[in-house]
Amino acid sequence: QVQLQESGPGLVKPSETLSLTCTVSGGSISNFYWSWIRQPPGKALEWIGFIHHSGSTNYNPSLKSRVTISVDTSKNQFSLSLSSVTAADTAVYYCASVTGIYWYFDLWGRGTLVTVSS
Amino acid sequence: EVMMTQSPATLSVSPGERATLSCRASQSVNYNLAWYQHKPGQAPRLLIHGVSTRATGVPARFSGSGSGTEFSLTISSLQSEDFAFYYCQQYNNWPPLTFGGGTKVEIK
Repeated sequence: QVQLQESGPGLVKPSETLSLTCTVSGGSISNFYWSWIRQPPGKALEWIGFIHHSGSTNYNPSLKSRVTISVDTSKNQFSLSLSSVTAADTAVYYCASVTGIYWYFDLWGRGTLVTVSS
Repeated sequence: EVMMTQSPATLSVSPGERATLSCRASQSVNYNLAWYQHKPGQAPRLLIHGVSTRATGVPARFSGSGSGTEFSLTISSLQSEDFAFYYCQQYNNWPPLTFGGGTKVEIK
């Protein structure tokens, strides 16, 4: 059974870069699409972007200038980098997968809280 | 960007009762609509995709309906494990993929 697990620092300083990793266990990352989604406190879920195992990406236009999603097939991991963070980037960050031909998320991680504060 | 609006924000229901949650899109999303269940501290769970197709393992008491801009999720007889947050998501017009603000189903 495939499982996703987010990891990374829980506290990031303003203007710095937020970096998170999602580890895929129980299956190969060399299939499908892999995504990051976040939820600021009290707000709606926000899609951040996708990466295919081949490395092709698609990002939310509102975040595109600050986001990089990468994949490491040798480690069965994919990662999120969000630069120049502010308090507005404080959120629970989820990784998720798209295994079908339509763009809904059929498997999610539990999420990790990242707080942006000095 | 397609805006998704869910109502009500909170739904108070007694166990065994029926619950109906609504999701409205700012423009037609055809049948490209999914529903998720989320319990705090757990991974969100896909319930329904394509408006009405239940994901693997989802009980038959969950059903989805609608088309275009108006959608609903119905839980026919609420069980204790169904008290959670529910989110809709459109995947018709993107980027970006967008979610509704959620409905909390709580015990009355």
